[in-house]
Amino acid sequence: EVQLVQSGAEVKKPGESLKISCKGSGYSFTSYWIGWVRQMPGKGLEWMGIIYPGDSDTRYSPSFQGQVTISADKSISTAYLQWSSLKASDTAMYYCVRESLWFGDRSGYFDYWGQGTLVTVSS
Amino acid sequence: SYVLTQPPSVSVAPGKTARITCGGNNIGSKSVHWYQQKPGQAPVLVIYYDSDRPSGIPERFSGSNSGNTATLTISRVEAGDEADYYCQVWDSSSDHSVVFGGGTKLTVL
Repeated sequence: EVQLVQSGAEVKKPGESLKISCKGSGYSFTSYWIGWVRQMPGKGLEWMGIIYPGDSDTRYSPSFQGQVTISADKSISTAYLQWSSLKASDTAMYYCVRESLWFGDRSGYFDYWGQGTLVTVSS
Repeated sequence: SYVLTQPPSVSVAPGKTARITCGGNNIGSKSVHWYQQKPGQAPVLVIYYDSDRPSGIPERFSGSNSGNTATLTISRVEAGDEADYYCQVWDSSSDHSVVFGGGTKLTVL
């Protein structure tokens, strides 16, 4: 069974750093792109970026380039999303997603979602 | 960047058909995917590649895509279908950028 299990909720202060995780299981972790999606309170879904754990090729949405860092450790089948200096506006639910394959190539859609990690940034 | 436009809300009576639209410039030339998100839950894929259903998704869910509008159709709507629905495309020509629509709240009357 494919699963994406995310780390637990975080409460941080502005200016602090943070790294949240997403552990994949039940499939070949290095063969699928893993992405991150933000959902601010009461708002819609926003794509942040994506990584291919096989070779760490990473793409960012222009809106999030330079604001976050996406990484992966294929030895433990885990992807990460990190901030060096949080802002109150980073308060949101963050989902990791697996991009499905289409005949071995990228498909452009997300067939599995993590349960979400709620990040609260408040002084 | 590419923009997807959805109506904020759609209301439908139980047993009727709900249609949720997703507008975009020449969206018919792209593949559209749809997700359902119930309160407090992660989104779930309900339609991919315009009209394909993942296993476990009822046949009541269907999709179409042509011209400047993609449509998610839910037949014989049930109370359990009440949720937010998001369309999404992958703009492979724009550095592989992913775009989501703003979401539509489906209310079952």
